Amino acid sequence: EPEVTQTPSHQVTQMGQEVILRCVPISNHLYFYWYRQILGQKVEFLVSFYNNEISEKSEIFDDQFSVERPDGSNFTLKIRSTKLEDSAMYFCASSGFGDDQPQHFGDGTRLSIL
Amino acid sequence: QKEVEQNSGPLSVPEGAIASLNCTYSDRGSQSFFWYRQYSGKSPELIMFIYSNGDKEDGRFTAQLNKASQYVSLLIRDSQPSDSATYLCALNQAGTALIFGKGTTLSVSS
Repeated sequence: EPEVTQTPSHQVTQMGQEVILRCVPISNHLYFYWYRQILGQKVEFLVSFYNNEISEKSEIFDDQFSVERPDGSNFTLKIRSTKLEDSAMYFCASSGFGDDQPQHFGDGTRLSIL
Repeated sequence: QKEVEQNSGPLSVPEGAIASLNCTYSDRGSQSFFWYRQYSGKSPELIMFIYSNGDKEDGRFTAQLNKASQYVSLLIRDSQPSDSATYLCALNQAGTALIFGKGTTLSVSS
């Protein structure tokens, strides 16, 4: 069964550094998403991406964050100047086009900011 | 503000019993409803989705939706120890962000 792939599985970074989290969505999916989950808290939406542009973003997704689809397969989340509170699991998800297409999640990247 | 409420649990059931998980939501414009299962330290895994009022069955799982009362539930029949996990209720309007509840922890004892 096709799946969403995320790399790395764990990223440790010093506060203030930039990180790039990578995702390969399911190949025939058209919508891409990033979510985060701080330890012990609920899954929170960050951003959705369709047709090479952001379609929706949350209040969390401020100027520190950016997304990009640099080629036909990868979808990245960049966090500039990381803060301690950015420590979380970051999940990429993708879905097909249409109201009946659920979102499928990757295994996540655990980001630890020191 | 879209809100999704779930009883955090833990909900404890013996093996073979029916587990009933409930979720209420505040936004009447919500169109699609999802149940995800999340094992500790893992990613959400899709279990069921439902769009129309009524019941939807898939194997041991039944999702129930009542839009007038703004609740959605998940029934797990013949519960197994491997069903022990946190169950996340999520909703969206078509093609948009999923809004998650905090999840209900289910413990199935053998």
